[in-house]
Amino acid sequence: EVQLLESGGGLEQPGGSLRLSCAGSGFNFSNYNINWVRQAPGKGLEWISYISNSGMTIYYADSVKGRFTISRDSAKKSVSLHMNGLRDEDTAVYYCAISQPPKHWFDSWGQGTLVTVSS
Amino acid sequence: DILMTQSPSSLSASVGDRVTITCRASQYISTYLNWYQQKMGKAPKLLIYAASNLQSGVPSRFSGSGSGTDFTLSISSLQPEDFATYYCQQTYSRPITFGQGTRLE
Repeated sequence: EVQLLESGGGLEQPGGSLRLSCAGSGFNFSNYNINWVRQAPGKGLEWISYISNSGMTIYYADSVKGRFTISRDSAKKSVSLHMNGLRDEDTAVYYCAISQPPKHWFDSWGQGTLVTVSS
Repeated sequence: DILMTQSPSSLSASVGDRVTITCRASQYISTYLNWYQQKMGKAPKLLIYAASNLQSGVPSRFSGSGSGTDFTLSISSLQPEDFATYYCQQTYSRPITFGQGTRLE
């Protein structure tokens, strides 16, 4: 069974940093592209970052570019999202979601981890 | 960025009803359109991929159609477990964008 487990969320002050992790099991992690999608309280879904199965291709939404960094550790079957310069508007549940190339849809999602940015 | 617009934003329906949700892209996206269902407090779940393909395990009462800029998600006979929020998503170009959601209540 495919499982994705996010961790690392919590309360952080504006300007602070957090590191989210997404751990995968039940599938060949190195074959999958990984996306991060967030959802602010009571709002819709916002895609924010992507890393390819090889780790060679990375994309960011403009809203996080220059502040967030995505990376992957295939040996540990995990992807990290380093979040710097946090802002109030980064408050959201953060989901990781996988897609298997060349497919472009998000097959499976984790349960999400809540990030709250507040002073 | 490609803007995805869903209508309606909310929909009141009853068990057994047939419902249709539409999604319009601000530019051509071929069939790079996917539909997700999200229940309160849960992660989204893939229902339909590439506009019209039913994800494994999803009941056949769900169907999708469309290409280019206009798409629809239909539920042939609403079941109690279908009351949720539905999102369309385009994966034609970066950044990937979602519709604003349709709440089925």
